[in-house]
Amino acid sequence: DTGVSQDPRHKITKRGQNVTFRCDPISEHNRLYWYRQTLGQGPEFLTYFQNEAQLEKSRLLSDRFSAERPKGSFSTLEIQRTEQGDSAMYLCASTPAGGQINYGYTFGSGTRLTVV
Amino acid sequence: GNSVTQMEGPVTLSEEAFLTINCTYTATGYPSLFWYVQYPGEGLQLLLKATKADDKGSNKGFEATYRKETTSFHLEKGSVQVSDSAVYFCALRGLTGGGNKLTFGTGTQLKVEL
Repeated sequence: DTGVSQDPRHKITKRGQNVTFRCDPISEHNRLYWYRQTLGQGPEFLTYFQNEAQLEKSRLLSDRFSAERPKGSFSTLEIQRTEQGDSAMYLCASTPAGGQINYGYTFGSGTRLTVV
Repeated sequence: GNSVTQMEGPVTLSEEAFLTINCTYTATGYPSLFWYVQYPGEGLQLLLKATKADDKGSNKGFEATYRKETTSFHLEKGSVQVSDSAVYFCALRGLTGGGNKLTFGTGTQLKVEL
């Protein structure tokens, strides 16, 4: 098991373009989370999945953002019509389910998005 | 809602100095508490955790004790090394109000010099 993988590591895009990021969680983890981290701040929750079901979305997730986890394995996060304010590190994390709250999450190395 | 407050950085220490990074929280009930560390250019790594009052989490010489009476989870290390230089995040995972996600503080940057 290689942990949580995110691709790409870096993405530079022009304002108005669409971008898509991918996250591959730890295989036995059925919960997957997306966070956004801006410079000098802690990560902020965006959304999470249990298997293929998207169970919660933050108000930060505007209608330009969409996330999917079609087969309950990898997930994609798409941002349409990117804006400069979308520039951030996008982190993916996974954790096992089971009703226990004492697990931390395993984070990926993140995708750094720069909108120019 | 849930929130976490950390002391502002950067904190600059000499090698072998004692480290304290303060963390207080606001949450309903008894959340689980965590410290994560982020090295430059990398994702977050779980450093230690505590799931109930008076629990002490420890790892790699770092310790933190869950204090419900003061709603605190301060991170300590007796003797820091240059390799400890990183950003440290305090976080909680609550029982209610969205208990399936972590709420983070803003992070505290630690710089350890020779």
